[in-house]
Amino acid sequence: NAGVMQNPRHLVRRRGQEARLRCSPMKGHSHVYWYRQLPEEGLKFMVYLQKENIIDESGMPKERFSAEFPKEGPSILRIQQVVRGDSAAYFCASSPQDRGYNEQFFGPGTRLTVL
Amino acid sequence: GQQVMQIPQYQHVQEGEDFTTYCNSSTTLSNIQWYKQRPGGHPVFLIQLVKSGEVKKQKRLTFQFGEAKKNSSLHITATQTTDVGTYFCAGPRFVSNTGKLIFGQGTTLQVKP
Repeated sequence: NAGVMQNPRHLVRRRGQEARLRCSPMKGHSHVYWYRQLPEEGLKFMVYLQKENIIDESGMPKERFSAEFPKEGPSILRIQQVVRGDSAAYFCASSPQDRGYNEQFFGPGTRLTVL
Repeated sequence: GQQVMQIPQYQHVQEGEDFTTYCNSSTTLSNIQWYKQRPGGHPVFLIQLVKSGEVKKQKRLTFQFGEAKKNSSLHITATQTTDVGTYFCAGPRFVSNTGKLIFGQGTTLQVKP
């Protein structure tokens, strides 16, 4: 059973470009979470999605950031017009249920560097 | 909003010494989870505690959930170099129960051989 997959593992963008981060949850998991981790800091919740639905986006910046989890295909975290402050590790996690009682399985992360 | 705090932020120990990290939530938690992140790696689930006063052991690791379900601790006996990493506690948003986790800022453990 493959784990959570994220790609790319490393992404370099220049200021003003767009960044697209992909996450494929574990087989059988229908709940996806995105977290951001700045260097030497903890994980900050961004968004929680189920297939075709955004359940909680309270951690998403209001501008430039968007997320989706289509019926087919991976979840996408999209950052438009990136700035240097967007440089961070972005982790995706998945779980089989949404009650918060189940562990979350994390992917290897995408390290975004904005030049 | 709900906050989860961990102390200490960093801990350097000699191999063989014990290590403890403490986690405190501003609100009552339905459960608490612990994760470990190796340098350059991703968080890996260690354990989940659900009951008030619960204590669970995994080899040299002992996890405790407070009676009021607002605090927790992780204790490692006789640390080894393989214990190096950052340990995070995390709790779900009790009110919304959407499944999102609120993470503490982590305790980074360094072990000198």
